Amino acid sequence: QQQVKQSPQSLIVQKGGISIINCAYENTAFDYFPWYQQFPGKGPALLIAIRPDVSEKKEGRFTISFNKSAKQFSLHIMDSQPGDSATYFCAVQGTSYDKVIFGPGTSLSVIP
Amino acid sequence: EPEVTQTPSHQVTQMGQEVILRCVPISNHLYFYWYRQILGQKVEFLVSFYNNEISEKSEIFDDQFSVERPDGSNFTLKIRSTKLEDSAMYFCASSAGGGGQPQHFGDGTRLSIL
Repeated sequence: QQQVKQSPQSLIVQKGGISIINCAYENTAFDYFPWYQQFPGKGPALLIAIRPDVSEKKEGRFTISFNKSAKQFSLHIMDSQPGDSATYFCAVQGTSYDKVIFGPGTSLSVIP
Repeated sequence: EPEVTQTPSHQVTQMGQEVILRCVPISNHLYFYWYRQILGQKVEFLVSFYNNEISEKSEIFDDQFSVERPDGSNFTLKIRSTKLEDSAMYFCASSAGGGGQPQHFGDGTRLSIL
């Protein structure tokens, strides 16, 4: 059972463009929605996270949009840079779910 | 910025041998986790540990696996008799709080079983 769906699987964006990655979840018990960034040979690094009491959170060039009724959330990377090239994982957690449940990941390539 | 550190970065072991992966969580964190990532796949939860006992484990975490916090700073994952399919990246994570709180990951140990 796939609790977190993520799309696209891979994404190529021109430098300066907007990268958009989408996630959907099934269980309404989740109440914390982090995004992780992973570079090759490194561990997942917490990038930005949102709780369901807000519909949007922005930190620098990174924005999460959250739609509670649709059980969907997305990551927007504005002014994408080659240094943003990495694998991005959406994830879910909950007060009753101690573990992080990861999506399958999106490989982002930002080309000059 | 405080970070989770893991050793070794790469471990090569013969099938059937025991292996211990080590982690030093962030110092004021109370919740500890192990995850696994098979090459090219998503990160999977193995086990969570709080107050010196396992709080949750996945079906992957069978009797061959064990965790321990031998002192106030280290957190270890032991695989008793390794199998080829145990080859993966193993990540340790820690959190100041339990469910619904940010977890911070180390850079992992690459375990290669020959």
